[in-house]
Amino acid sequence: GAVVSQHPSWVICKSGTSVKIECRSLDFQATTMFWYRQFPKQSLMLMATSNEGSKATYEQGVEKDKFLINHASLTLSTLTVTSAHPEDSSFYICSARRDRGPYNEQFFGPGTRLTVL
Amino acid sequence: GNSVTQMEGPVTLSEEAFLTINCTYTATGYPSLFWYVQYPGEGLQLLLKATKADDKGSNKGFEATYRKETTSFHLEKGSVQVSDSAVYFCALSANTGGFKTIFGAGTRLFVKA
Repeated sequence: GAVVSQHPSWVICKSGTSVKIECRSLDFQATTMFWYRQFPKQSLMLMATSNEGSKATYEQGVEKDKFLINHASLTLSTLTVTSAHPEDSSFYICSARRDRGPYNEQFFGPGTRLTVL
Repeated sequence: GNSVTQMEGPVTLSEEAFLTINCTYTATGYPSLFWYVQYPGEGLQLLLKATKADDKGSNKGFEATYRKETTSFHLEKGSVQVSDSAVYFCALSANTGGFKTIFGAGTRLFVKA
């Protein structure tokens, strides 16, 4: 149990277009999900905390208008990279916190690699 | 604020060698500590965790003990395999940080046959 999926696993897009990444908890409910960004050979940087039914909480320095987060249900959060540019190319990873589980435990998706040409 | 510091890599070992990856943390409150592993091109997998002082987490031959007196959570394995080659992240989650997971920089491990 406690599986998190992401779709797509990789995407290549042209500069100026928008890309949507989905994060789903497959076998549990998750009121809270997290979005991370990982640059090559670097650690994960928390971008935002996504809460079902309310606005996401963004970390300092993360543009909320650039990275739109929608947590429409207890099993789905989406991250939309708007007007993507080459500097947005990165590995995006989501995680989900189980509603009925330890509050400090997160389950991670496999990641989505975004390449902006 | 809460933070995690782990030894820089890469670490290169021969098969069956002993592995230690150092990790220290700074946190207020009562953090839980984790080790995650990331294989090439993949997301993170939880390797082991410890939720209170003196707890030992273990999985797949890896071990780490939560040492509050030294604020450390070093990862060890007695005999590494080529398949252990990956990036290892030490992390913490604390009530004082809203239970957000804070990651260390990661340590890349290469194991040679």
